[in-house]
Amino acid sequence: RKEVEQDPGPFNVPEGATVAFNCTYSNSASQSFFWYRQDCRKEPKLLMSVYSSGNEDGRFTAQLNRASQYISLLIRDSKLSDSATYLCVVIMGGGSYIPTFGRGTSLIVHP
Amino acid sequence: DAGVTQSPTHLIKTRGQQVTLRCSPKSGHDTVSWYQQALGQGPQFIFQYYEEEERQRGNFPDRFSGHQFPNYSSELNVNALLLGDSALYLCASSSGTGLNQPQHFGDGTRLSIL
Repeated sequence: RKEVEQDPGPFNVPEGATVAFNCTYSNSASQSFFWYRQDCRKEPKLLMSVYSSGNEDGRFTAQLNRASQYISLLIRDSKLSDSATYLCVVIMGGGSYIPTFGRGTSLIVHP
Repeated sequence: DAGVTQSPTHLIKTRGQQVTLRCSPKSGHDTVSWYQQALGQGPQFIFQYYEEEERQRGNFPDRFSGHQFPNYSSELNVNALLLGDSALYLCASSSGTGLNQPQHFGDGTRLSIL
């Protein structure tokens, strides 16, 4: 089993739709979690951190479920400009603190 | 406010050669991490430098080495290049050693091995 797994997609949704991605992780000692966005042939950019209590930033909501070992990203009212690959990052604990990226989930928002 | 800058943007090498990639961190950041991103995959952590020392290392062979300078800039060196080393190499900077800190990425260096 991979340390961090994401459905690669692509998720094809119309403008205005709500879409959610999950990211599962295998190490229960994982300590920190992030979502990054990567446009085609560009560098990853931080979208948001994921806090234990869940957090929201405008149309984006991130949640952490430690019991089931996954994080989620919900995007409401999708825009064409949301089309990108969404990468989850898990910081493994146990003393190593190595950041592990998922392979990313591709989102395509169409008119 | 200068972000993370990397050079060169593209590079073509042949098997067995050696390559050096360069990175200047975002202003105010003192920690640099290097990643390798193959096509269709997420970035893989190579190593992190802080105070001119390697602090953390991912699962990469000794052919991959690095350096950090007093001005916080960093180099990634790869020896004895293999075809499988073809990838986008990303540099990310943060403030402090904690990998819990969000990282800011540069545009990357696209390395092609022929």
